[in-house]
Amino acid sequence: KQEVTQIPAALSVPEGENLVLNCSFTDSAIYNLQWFRQDPGKGLTSLLLIQSSQREQTSGRLNASLDKSSGRSTLYIAASQPGDSATYLCAVDQTGANNLFFGTGTRLTVIP
Amino acid sequence: DGGITQSPKYLFRKEGQNVTLSCEQNLNHDAMYWYRQDPGQGLRLIYYSQIVNDFQKGDIAEGYSVSREKKESFPLTVTSAQKNPTAFYLCASSPDSYEQYFGPGTRLTVT
Repeated sequence: KQEVTQIPAALSVPEGENLVLNCSFTDSAIYNLQWFRQDPGKGLTSLLLIQSSQREQTSGRLNASLDKSSGRSTLYIAASQPGDSATYLCAVDQTGANNLFFGTGTRLTVIP
Repeated sequence: DGGITQSPKYLFRKEGQNVTLSCEQNLNHDAMYWYRQDPGQGLRLIYYSQIVNDFQKGDIAEGYSVSREKKESFPLTVTSAQKNPTAFYLCASSPDSYEQYFGPGTRLTVT
């Protein structure tokens, strides 16, 4: 069964720093990988989706990469801001039926 | 406003009672999903529906039931058979096999 791991569980950085969040998955036969943001007590907001045939996707200050062969994805956040503070979750779709396997998330705190 | 709504935001029930969580979307999405989130764990899929009048079990369907009589609605019933029902429940919808869009969640507490 697919297992998705996110390390570290929590991360604190000063405002303005660039940072990388990591996501690893055990079965490389994936359909796509999605990064989400979750604010405390709220639902998830989709940030980026990478198809299995793609290597990266960019949206504003966010860049997500995918290395299927090694079972890894990274989310790069440039010039971090306090408003970026949230939990970031990655999820993989293994079948194309959109049944997502989620990681446990990385809780990011950006210190002003 | 377009989007996914879940109500109520907080729900309290006594052990042994069934409770139904509401999920409504006006995005015209075919697929809808229910997840459960527990502290320190990732989201786990309870049930999903790709089309009206059809639904499938996810990884942790035991103790839950759903219906999909309308495209817009996918209610989840937490039955008394669910051993640990206290959790944060998230509903999502998707227009295709791509991005899922999530509702704000319902926090259920059973005592």
